[in-house]
Amino acid sequence: AQTVTQSQPEMSVQEAETVTLSCTYDTSESDYYLFWYKQPPSRQMILVIRQEAYKQQNATENRFSVNFQKAAKSFSLKISDSQLGDAAMYFCALKPGNTPLVFGKGTRLSVIA
Amino acid sequence: EADIYQTPRYLVIGTGKKITLECSQTMGHDKMYWYQQDPGMELHLIHYSYGVNSTEKGDLSSESTVSRIRTEHFPLTLESARPSHTSQYLCASSEGPDEQYFGPGTRLTVT
Repeated sequence: AQTVTQSQPEMSVQEAETVTLSCTYDTSESDYYLFWYKQPPSRQMILVIRQEAYKQQNATENRFSVNFQKAAKSFSLKISDSQLGDAAMYFCALKPGNTPLVFGKGTRLSVIA
Repeated sequence: EADIYQTPRYLVIGTGKKITLECSQTMGHDKMYWYQQDPGMELHLIHYSYGVNSTEKGDLSSESTVSRIRTEHFPLTLESARPSHTSQYLCASSEGPDEQYFGPGTRLTVT
């Protein structure tokens, strides 16, 4: 079975500070993708960052970066220089092979001005 | 921005009514998905399709049905709406093993 676990239901961060959201997963597939999605309040779900499992280098997109530890099956998201617009639900997701995404339960991030 | 559309965006309907939630994408993606999500909560996969005339049930037991007659269109139908169907319904599409693109969602309230 494929599972994704986000152990932090809620997190908060001061504006301009750095925050890390945790995600662990389990899969028996050797070929898979990992994603972080952002869902702002009452707005569309959008992709934040993706990581191919076969790539050892951690993905980076501007202020967003991941720490991908394949052996530990860990995929955390770091947000640097947090902004008010970063406030949202963040979902970690696993795509094992040719099957649908498996989502974690989400982490609600609040940004404090 | 991804070209995936859902209509209606909001729907309030009485118990027992038949409803169809529309989802269309203009990206030519073979794969399409329907998720149910209570506000601020986790997503539950209810149906998916990997191509025309192909549909599968997801992890969450659902009283809804879907059809895939055209690549770009993946409607979700509830034959008899109940208050327990009150939720947000998200449609998504993808190509290959890469990311899923999400529509804006339909917020359904059954009274």
